[in-house]
Amino acid sequence: DTAVSQTPKYLVTQMGNDKSIKCEQNLGHDTMYWYKQDSKKFLKIMFSYNNKELIINETVPNRFSPKSPDKAHLNLHINSLELGDSAVYFCASSQGQVGTDTQYFGPGTRLTVL
Amino acid sequence: AQSVTQLGSHVSVSEGALVLLRCNYSSSVPPYLFWYVQYPNQGLQLLLKYTSAATLVKGINGFEAEFKKSETSFHLTKPSAHMSDAAEYFCAVSETGGFKTIFGAGTRLFVKA
Repeated sequence: DTAVSQTPKYLVTQMGNDKSIKCEQNLGHDTMYWYKQDSKKFLKIMFSYNNKELIINETVPNRFSPKSPDKAHLNLHINSLELGDSAVYFCASSQGQVGTDTQYFGPGTRLTVL
Repeated sequence: AQSVTQLGSHVSVSEGALVLLRCNYSSSVPPYLFWYVQYPNQGLQLLLKYTSAATLVKGINGFEAEFKKSETSFHLTKPSAHMSDAAEYFCAVSETGGFKTIFGAGTRLFVKA
C-alpha cells in the first residue's frame, strides 16, 4: 500500500497551459504539504493544509492554487504555466500540524514546461 | 528564524569507509532536527530525528547523528559505507510550536567500489 501517492509522475506541457497534480495519503494524517524541488535539489515549502484549512502559504505566485477536498487529499492547480515552474513537486503528510512531526513524502511529480 | 546549512554539496567515500555529512543549524528556541534521505527518482524518507530526548540519535540503515548544542551541529555518520547508501541527504530543522520545517540544500553522497 502506497502511503502518499501523487499523479501524474511526469507532466510535460507547453507554456501558458493549466495543469493539476493530485495527491492522496492513506496514513490518516491531519496535515498535508506541497514542496517544490528545483534543479539544484533545493526543497522549498509552498503550502500546508491541516484538516482542509490552509496553515502555511509561502510567497508563491497566485497562479498556484491548492485545494483540499478532504484531509486525505491535497491537489495543486497551476494556471498559465511558465518555464520557471519546471521542477519536481512533492506532496507530503504528517500526523500533526507542527513542524516537529515527521513528514512522509510522495514519489514526486516531475513537471517540464516547454 | 531558523535555518540550516549543509557543508559540502557532494561527498565521495569508498565502500567500507566512514561517512560524515555535516549540518549546522540556527534556531532561537530548542530545535527539532531531522535527516532525510532521497534515493534517485524517489521522495524523501526519514533517517532519524532529534527531539531532545537524547543527544545521540540512531536511525535506520546504520546511520546516527549527534546533537551538539555548543557547536549548533547535527552531523550524520555511518561507520562503513555501502553502495546502497548513495543518495541525496537533507538536514532539516523546525522549532517547537512552529509550523514549518526548513530543509538544507542537500548533500549528494557518492560511494566508490
